[in-house]
Amino acid sequence: SAVISQKPSRDICQRGTSLTIQCQVDSQVTMMFWYRQQPGQSLTLIATANQGSEATYESGFVIDKFPISRPNLTFSTLTVSNMSPEDSSIYLCSVDGLAGGYPYEQYFGPGTRLTVT
Amino acid sequence: AQTVTQSQPEMSVQEAETVTLSCTYDTSENNYYLFWYKQPPSRQMILVIRQEAYKQQNATENRFSVNFQKAAKSFSLKISDSQLGDTAMYFCAFMKHVLRDMRFGAGTRLTVKP
Repeated sequence: SAVISQKPSRDICQRGTSLTIQCQVDSQVTMMFWYRQQPGQSLTLIATANQGSEATYESGFVIDKFPISRPNLTFSTLTVSNMSPEDSSIYLCSVDGLAGGYPYEQYFGPGTRLTVT
Repeated sequence: AQTVTQSQPEMSVQEAETVTLSCTYDTSENNYYLFWYKQPPSRQMILVIRQEAYKQQNATENRFSVNFQKAAKSFSLKISDSQLGDTAMYFCAFMKHVLRDMRFGAGTRLTVKP
C-alpha cells in the first residue's frame, strides 16, 4: 500500500468562498481520483486526475465548480469553488497503480471533512 | 452504466459468529473487478478484499471470503469469527478493467455485538 495524506483534514467555510484540498502520496502512482461522500451516503466519483492534462469529470460534476490539478505523479489538488451548504461532505482522494503493487487496487486518503455555513 | 446494489442497510452479528453481506451489480462488461471496502468511524476507507471477474476461484483474506457468482452478478462478503473491530460500514464496489473508475454501493452498516 501507500501512505496518502490530505490537507486539511477538516474545515468550516463560509458560503461563496473556495477551498483547495491537497492529496499527497509517498510514492509515484498511475492514477489519482477524487470522491465525494455526502453525509450518511456512499462515495461518488467526482473526477479522475490526469497527470499533465485536464481531469476527466463524471456526469454532474464540472470543472468550473471542482477544478483539479495534478502537476506530478505524487500530488493532486481539488478545489471546491463558490461553496454552498450542499457542498458539505467528506472529500476523499484515492490512488492506484502503485509500483510493485496490484494495478487495480485503489487506496484512499483519510478524507477532508468540509462544512459550509 | 454500472450499478451496485447493497440491499441490507444494517446488520448485526454476535462476536465470534459468521455474517454474510450481500451485493449485486449490473454490467454488460466481461472484464472487471469487484471489491469490498470497510469504513470504520474514523472514516478511513480500508480495502478488505478484491475479486477479478476472470477468476472462478473465490477470493479469501484471512477471516474474509467472498462468494462470487458471475452469471448471477452477485458478490457477497462472508466474515467469519466476527470481532468487535469489524464494526464499520461496508461498501461493495465495481471497477471496469479499462477506465478504472470505481462505483460504490450504498453500504451496509455492520455492528458486532459483544
